[in-house]
Amino acid sequence: EDKVVQSPLSLVVHEGDTVTLNCSYEVTNFRSLLWYKQEKKAPTFLFMLTSSGIEKKSGRLSSILDKKELFSILNITATQTGDSAVYLCAANTGTASKLTFGTGTRLQVTL
Amino acid sequence: GAVVSQHPSRVICKSGTSVKIECRSLDFQATTMFWYRQFPKQSLMLMATSNEGSKATYEQGVEKDKFLINHASLTLSTLTVTSAHPEDSSFYICSARDREGTQYFGPGTRLTVL
Repeated sequence: EDKVVQSPLSLVVHEGDTVTLNCSYEVTNFRSLLWYKQEKKAPTFLFMLTSSGIEKKSGRLSSILDKKELFSILNITATQTGDSAVYLCAANTGTASKLTFGTGTRLQVTL
Repeated sequence: GAVVSQHPSRVICKSGTSVKIECRSLDFQATTMFWYRQFPKQSLMLMATSNEGSKATYEQGVEKDKFLINHASLTLSTLTVTSAHPEDSSFYICSARDREGTQYFGPGTRLTVL
């Protein structure tokens, strides 16, 4: 059975801190690893990672994939209160590109 | 970026009625769309994969006769919850897959069955 595990489950930080969110996976027919941010509604796309060791960056967010260790991290630097959300990672598998989601990391950024 | 819309955003209905939810990819064609449901403070659970022009593929434990899926065009998939009951109350989210394999999500539909 495909499995995606995220840690920590929740995190509270002060504005300006840097956070690292973790995602490990055990799946068959792996294609890519995706990160999403979910606030009150449906998830919004952040990154898709297919190759090991290549960092993807968007503003204060960055992510990298290690296909040997079956692991990905999402970094957020200089956190802001608007970064408060649930961050989901998902493994994209098979020819149908099904997504298996982790349980998410709930991030709260306080002033 | 790719935009996916969902309608309605919220619906309240009586037990026993059927509810139809539409999912549209607005600026790209999607041969494959997906339907998820999400319970409070839980992650997304895939219900079914909707393929344009063919039957949907349902995940284990999802009743295909209860959750009818139609993917009639490259930009539209519909989910009909038939004879809805209170336990069907949930947040239903669709996604559409682009050519690179990225799934973009609709804003979700909150269904409340009284």
